[in-house]
Amino acid sequence: EDQVTQSPEALRLQEGESSSLNCSYTVSGLRGLFWYRQDPGKGPEFLFTLYSAGEEKEKERLKATLTKKESFLHITAPKPEDSATYLCAVHFSGGYQKVTFGTGTKLQVIP
Amino acid sequence: GAGVSQSPSNKVTEKGKDVELRCDPISGHTALYWYRQSLGQGLEFLIYFQGNSAPDKSGLPSDRFSAERTGGSVSTLTIQRTQQEDSAVYLCASSLAGNGKETQYFGPGTRLLVL
Repeated sequence: EDQVTQSPEALRLQEGESSSLNCSYTVSGLRGLFWYRQDPGKGPEFLFTLYSAGEEKEKERLKATLTKKESFLHITAPKPEDSATYLCAVHFSGGYQKVTFGTGTKLQVIP
Repeated sequence: GAGVSQSPSNKVTEKGKDVELRCDPISGHTALYWYRQSLGQGLEFLIYFQGNSAPDKSGLPSDRFSAERTGGSVSTLTIQRTQQEDSAVYLCASSLAGNGKETQYFGPGTRLLVL
């Protein structure tokens, strides 16, 4: 069964303390992996799409990387405004065009 | 440009009543998705529309749930005879062509509470 698992469930960082969020997947035929940010009371906001192992994407303090089994979202010198839930989603080869979402990592950055 | 909009933003209803949730996708996006997000759970796929093709209803949890998309644009998700376990945030997303590799743009969601 295709699965997407995110860890940790929650992460509390001091401002400036770099860390990484993990998204591991067991899917048959990865076609794309997406990272989203979700603020309380809002819909997910797109961050990155990764398509193949070895690919990396960066945006401000965030960097997403992809291997054959997992993706990391690295946060460098986070600020309190980076506090949010980060969602990972995987599009896999299947009968129809849908993605499977992980349950997210809730990040809190303390000033 | 305008993003995906959803209405109402919040809905409180009594058990057994029917509710309708509306989604206005980004203009020009042919693919539209409905998801359900329960507390502490990941986004659960419900239904997918692509152009004029028959919708993919494989994620609908029961026959109390239905959705339609009129004119290839606005979509309505209907839940009949609501139950307390239907309480969740219902999110709508659209993408340009729906080939799965594209970014899905989400609306703010409708928070449904069934008493």
